[in-house]
Amino acid sequence: GQQLNQSPQSMFIQEGEDVSMNCTSSSIFNTWLWYKQDPGEGPVLLIALYKAGELTSNGRLTAQFGITRKDSFLNISASIPSDVGIYFCAGHQGGTSYGKLTFGQGTILTVHP
Amino acid sequence: DTEVTQTPKHLVMGMTNKKSLKCEQHMGHRAMYWYKQKAKKPPELMFVYSYEKLSINESVPSRFSPECPNSSLLNLHLHALQPEDSALYLCASSPESSYQPQHFGDGTRLSIL
Repeated sequence: GQQLNQSPQSMFIQEGEDVSMNCTSSSIFNTWLWYKQDPGEGPVLLIALYKAGELTSNGRLTAQFGITRKDSFLNISASIPSDVGIYFCAGHQGGTSYGKLTFGQGTILTVHP
Repeated sequence: DTEVTQTPKHLVMGMTNKKSLKCEQHMGHRAMYWYKQKAKKPPELMFVYSYEKLSINESVPSRFSPECPNSSLLNLHLHALQPEDSALYLCASSPESSYQPQHFGDGTRLSIL
């Protein structure tokens, strides 16, 4: 099925550094979601975006819904060791795909103390 | 702690066994989902229930049989599984099967011998 292009695939950073990752698509999405998954657990919703151009923060996390509705980015400021995990973007297209999420391939984040 | 509860956390079964995975949510959500996830890959949608009726089946083999006894419970019945079915099985729920974000449980780690 369709997938979102998420980059980078992996990141190795030092504690305290800022992180940026993004998702792009050739199709328009009505909702963009960002999830984090720790080993042995399910994905946890970090941020939900509903309008083109929307910029939303959740603590040290900031995400934006691209103005073209075909992309989104997630920034993490001042990273800490517990930020380690896999980050997934996901989107809803609506219409006949009612209820279906399209996922990116994930960004594996490693933070060195 | 996740508000979507899945049991068991781990399951090992032979190819001839019959077992069931269970999912429960008490958030009043009317849409529930089953996903299959391989290591370091995004979740893959299997089934969607909306208002206790099956609304999406992503061409899942018949050895997987979903059931939604009521609005809070979702089961996945397993029979005659194959080794390639070994994966993390995630349950999720959302207020409705629309653009509203899905909330995931921690999954059942399934191993087929």
